[in-house]
Parts: sequence; structure tokens; C-alpha cells
Amino acid sequence: QQQVKQSPQSLIVQKGGISIINCAYENTAFDYFPWYQQFPGKGPALLIAIRPDVSEKKEGRFTISFNKSAKQFSLHIMDSQPGDSATYFCAARDDKIIFGKGTRLHILP
Amino acid sequence: GAGVSQSPSNKVTEKGKDVELRCDPISGHTALYWYRQSLGQGLEFLIYFQGNSAPDKSGLPSDRFSAERTGGSVSTLTIQRTQQEDSAVYLCASSRYSGRQDTQYFGPGTRLTVL
Repeated sequence: QQQVKQSPQSLIVQKGGISIINCAYENTAFDYFPWYQQFPGKGPALLIAIRPDVSEKKEGRFTISFNKSAKQFSLHIMDSQPGDSATYFCAARDDKIIFGKGTRLHILP
Repeated sequence: GAGVSQSPSNKVTEKGKDVELRCDPISGHTALYWYRQSLGQGLEFLIYFQGNSAPDKSGLPSDRFSAERTGGSVSTLTIQRTQQEDSAVYLCASSRYSGRQDTQYFGPGTRLTVL
């Protein structure tokens, strides 16, 4: 059973547009929700994270929106740039981190 | 270096051979994790070490997989009698502690290809 469902699998966005990646979870014991960014040939790196006691967290152009009642959270990348092209993983953690399957984002120049 | 390092970066082996993958965590990090990344499958948890506690091996897919961590630092993941389905990128991560909000820092991975 997939505990963290991520969509879409791939996403193409024009430069300057908004990229949106969605995730849903089932386990209400999850209490920490990080997003990781992975460039080709590199390991994932923490991008931004949120706790379920807040509905939104913003860091620069990156925003996490969190809906506890719906058990959903999403990553918004504002003013998307070609350098944002990467694979993004949402994750949720109780005793271990459970990762979504990833979204391959491509920003058109 | 300051980050997590893994070796080798690439490994090609024949079916049935044993392989060893190495991870050097960030100095002072007490927690170490191994993941497997297959195409389109995200990151699959394999095993977790925390200090001197018994490792959490709940993610190991079969008894062909084993891992050890010597001296609380370097870790080796061993795959015996490799199969083609073992082909994947194996990622190691470390964190200062094992708290739920402790950031995991990933290495660049070892790409394993089993012919």
C-alpha cells in the first residue's frame, strides 16, 4: 500500500509560471512533511518542510500548502526557472520517512 | 569532505556475484539510512542505524541484502547473489540525530547494474 501518493509523475511549465505538485497521505501519525529536490546524478536534498500545525510555509519562491483535514499537501514553485528543473519528492514521517514516487519537473526556457 | 560520500559511484556486475557498497556519513551524525531508488519508484527504505541500537532492517527486500556499520561511522551494504531486479541507485543518508525533524543529508548514490 502506497502511503504517500504524489502527482503528477511529470510536469512541464513555462518559465515564469507556477509549478504545482500534489501529495496525499493516509497515516494520521505522520507529523512532519518534507519536500526533497533531486538533480540528475545527485542525491535528494531537503528543499522545504512543514509540520501539520501550520497551513502554509513559504521560503522564497517555494511554498508548501497543507490541508490536514483532507490529508493533502502541495508544493508551489512561483516564477519557475529553468534551474528548477529537477525531480521533486514529497515525504511524510512518523518513525521513518516515506517518500512519494517523485515528480519530474521541466521548466521551458 | 563535508557531505555524505558513497563509493563506488557506478558498479556493473554479473548476475550471481556479490557486491559491496560503501557509505561515509557526515562526521558526528549518529543516524544512517540506506535507500534504493528504482526508475519511477521513488525512494524505498532499506535499513536504518542509530548509534549503538540494533538496526531497523524492516525494509530489506530479501535475506540477500545485509548491512553493517562499523564504529558508528562507515556503513557497507552487501548484496549477495545479485539479480537483475537489484539494478537501481542505492542512496545513503545521514542525520545528526534520529528525531523526526532531523534533516537527512543524502550522498550521490551508487548506480548498480546487474547484467
